[in-house]
Parts: sequence; structure tokens; C-alpha cells
Amino acid sequence: NAGVTQTPKFQVLKTGQSMTLQCAQDMNHEYMSWYRQDPGMGLRLIHYSVGAGITDQGEVPNGYNVSRSTTEDFPLRLLSAAPSQTSVYFCASSPAGPFGYGYTFGSGTRLTVV
Amino acid sequence: LAKTTQPISMDSYEGQEVNITCSHNNIATNDYITWYQQFPSQGPRFIIQGYKTKVTNEVASLFIPADRKSSTLSLPRVSLSDTAVYYCLVHGIRGATNKLIFGTGTLLAVQP
Repeated sequence: NAGVTQTPKFQVLKTGQSMTLQCAQDMNHEYMSWYRQDPGMGLRLIHYSVGAGITDQGEVPNGYNVSRSTTEDFPLRLLSAAPSQTSVYFCASSPAGPFGYGYTFGSGTRLTVV
Repeated sequence: LAKTTQPISMDSYEGQEVNITCSHNNIATNDYITWYQQFPSQGPRFIIQGYKTKVTNEVASLFIPADRKSSTLSLPRVSLSDTAVYYCLVHGIRGATNKLIFGTGTLLAVQP
């Protein structure tokens, strides 16, 4: 049981390049989210999904796209990387139910845009 | 989503009990209160969740008064390894309400 797996762990991009951050969970969780965390700050929600085929924007969605074609995977796409997107990105998943048991977070992807 | 307010930082010593209070005056009827812990360079980790009164697990206790406008995370006998940022969140648990909006959290520093 791997939990939430994020790849890659580190990435350096040039301004204008595109890339996809991968997130996979093997817990059959319905809810998945993407966050970014800048130095010394809290996490900010980028996009989230309440199930396969359903996504919505969070607090800071500009410059990012997501899709949820399967329960397990929730990739985050950077369309045209900018230095302002330099950050640590966390993916998280949570089960549904009458009582939430909390989100499980991945170990993060550290992205630098130069 | 209800806004939360918690102290920016707290100091403690090993072996002491630490109580971190969170204010959430606009909590909705269907909202739950959840606390997460984050160490540097790691993703947040779920600590405890509650709706009302008291919840206890092997790590912490969560006290919620009857009006639910605040909550207190209690960490018994902290150690150096409890030094971390602690986030209080208020959110629903169904559909689009089950998303976490993080504040700045409380940096707990435990001294020897």
C-alpha cells in the first residue's frame, strides 16, 4: 500500500516549458487535491476533484490544468511555466463517507522555473 | 468555508502539555474541525478530527465547546520531535465542501 505517490520529486524547467506533475493513489479515495507551498507560507489549493471526471478550481488555479479520468490518478499540468510557479507541490487524497478521515498527502514535488 | 485564526507561534519544553487554540466563529452546521501537522519538506499529516465535545486518539485530544466557535488541540508530554507547524481547518466532508483551505498555521517550537 503505497498511499499517495508523486513524481517527479524534483524538476527544473525553463520559462515557457510545459510539464505534467503526476499523482497516483492506491487507496480508492474519491477526493483528490493539488496544493502549492511557497517558502514560509501555508498551502494554497490549486485544483481539486470529488471523483473521476469531476474537477474544480481552488484558490490559485491560473496557469494549471487538471483532469481525473480514473479514481487513482490526478495529474497537474503546467501549461507554460513561469518563475512565479517555483514552489513545492503537494497532492492529497481523502475517502468519502459520513465521517472524513482526513487527507493523505504525498511527499511533494519541488519545482524550480528558471 | 469558515475562516480560522490561530497563534502564529508557540514555545514549549519537553514533557509539557501543549494546547493550541483555534478560533472559527463562522463555522457552519455541517463543518468538521481537523488538525494537521507539517514538518519541513514534508506534506501535512492528519492528526485528529472532530465535530463536537471531545475526541481523543493515540496522538492528541481535540476539545470543542458546545458553540463550536473554537477548538483546542492538546498534545500531551511533547518531545523535540513535535516541533512542527500545526494547522487548524474547518470544512465539510461531502462533495465540494470536502476541500481544505489552509491558513498560516501555528509553529510549535519544543525546547529541551
